[in-house]
Parts: sequence; C-alpha cells; structure tokens
Amino acid sequence: LAKTTQPPSMEAYEGQEVNVSCSHTNIATSEYIYWYRQVPHQGPQFIIQGYKDYVVNEVASLFISADRKLSTLSLPWVSLRDAAVYYCIVTDKGTQVVGQLTFGRGTRLQVYA
Amino acid sequence: EAAVTQSPRNKVTVTGGNVTLSCRQTNSHNYMYWYRQDTGHGLRLIHYSYGAGNLQIGDVPDGYKATRTTQEDFFLLLELASPSQTSLYFCASSDGGLGGRSSYEQYFGPGTRLTVL
Repeated sequence: LAKTTQPPSMEAYEGQEVNVSCSHTNIATSEYIYWYRQVPHQGPQFIIQGYKDYVVNEVASLFISADRKLSTLSLPWVSLRDAAVYYCIVTDKGTQVVGQLTFGRGTRLQVYA
Repeated sequence: EAAVTQSPRNKVTVTGGNVTLSCRQTNSHNYMYWYRQDTGHGLRLIHYSYGAGNLQIGDVPDGYKATRTTQEDFFLLLELASPSQTSLYFCASSDGGLGGRSSYEQYFGPGTRLTVL
C-alpha cells in the first residue's frame, strides 16, 4: 500500500473553500485514492474516490495530479459541520483482504464561524 | 442513504466479562466489518464477513469472535474481556465491489465505546 502524507491540521472560516492535500509518491498503477472524514463521536464517512484527473460529487471535488503522486480534496463553502478529521487512503481494489481500510493520522480541519 | 446501526452505544464491563456488540445494516450489502479505533493506532480491522454464515479474520482478531447470522446482522463477541480491549468499535458495510461500487466505499455505524475495567 502506498504511504500517504497529509498536513496534520488546517483552519478555515465558514464559507471558504478548503483544499486538503495528500501526497502518495509511491502510488502503484493498480491503486485508487479514497477520502473519508470523521466527525467527533461518529463513524468515518466516505466522501469521494478517484483514480486520475478530476472527480466531483455533491459533497466534494477530487483533483489528482497527472503523475498521480498528489491529490487534493476540495470542499466548497465549508460550514461548521465540515469540521472533522479528513483521511486520504490509497489502496488496491484487488488486495487480498477485501475492503480493508487503513487510516493514517489524517488532517484535522477546524472551521470558525 | 446507507444505514448502519450499532448497539449498545456505550458499554462498561469488568475483566473476564462477556460482551456482545451488535451491528445491523439495511443497505443489502454483502460485506460487513468490525474495526476498533484507538489513539495512535487508527482504525484496525478485527473481523469481516461477505455473507451470512461467513467469517474472515482481520488484522487484530485475538480475543474476539464474530458471527454473521443474516445478511443484515453481524455480532462481535468478547468472551473474556480484558482492559486492552477498551476501545471504540465500529461496524461497517459495503457491497464488496458489486454494482460498480468499490468495496472500499464503506458505510460506518456510530460506534460503540467499550470500557473494560
């Protein structure tokens, strides 16, 4: 599994756009990028996944560099409810243990009113 | 919206006690997972299952048993609880890569905080 590196913390005000970066310099061609977040006292929540280029859903956008060594999760118009720890996970869909998620330390996003 | 529920939400027991954590999903997912989350260790997989009657071992299975009685219900059993099993336990489900979705797109329950004294 590729190792990921994220900033430990970020701060933003409500209404701002937040970009959370994740470096995965050893990503293999078979690996995909997943983002989850976890609000205190709740279970992790799946946000978005991607392989290359650009992916968007109703919650966030995911930009993946051309060499796939860097991905950026973009959250438009953050609110207080977006305060959470954001996890970037890089894993191979074909790994032996189906669907096993390995969370690192993540990025703690603090949102101010 | 996928739905995974867990009970109880909080549990306190003593060393050597018998504990059962329950998880139910109404997503019609095939895969269900039990994780524990501890500070400094992140999320660790205990057991998982890909259908009723099936059980697979995860990374940290020692001291835990699990049983999948139906597609919806997955139980985690601690028969001789120890203080090292004090943790936050999460159940999750996924459709295992069917229907175009990845098995890594998992839906988590709210967690059970277990304290073993």
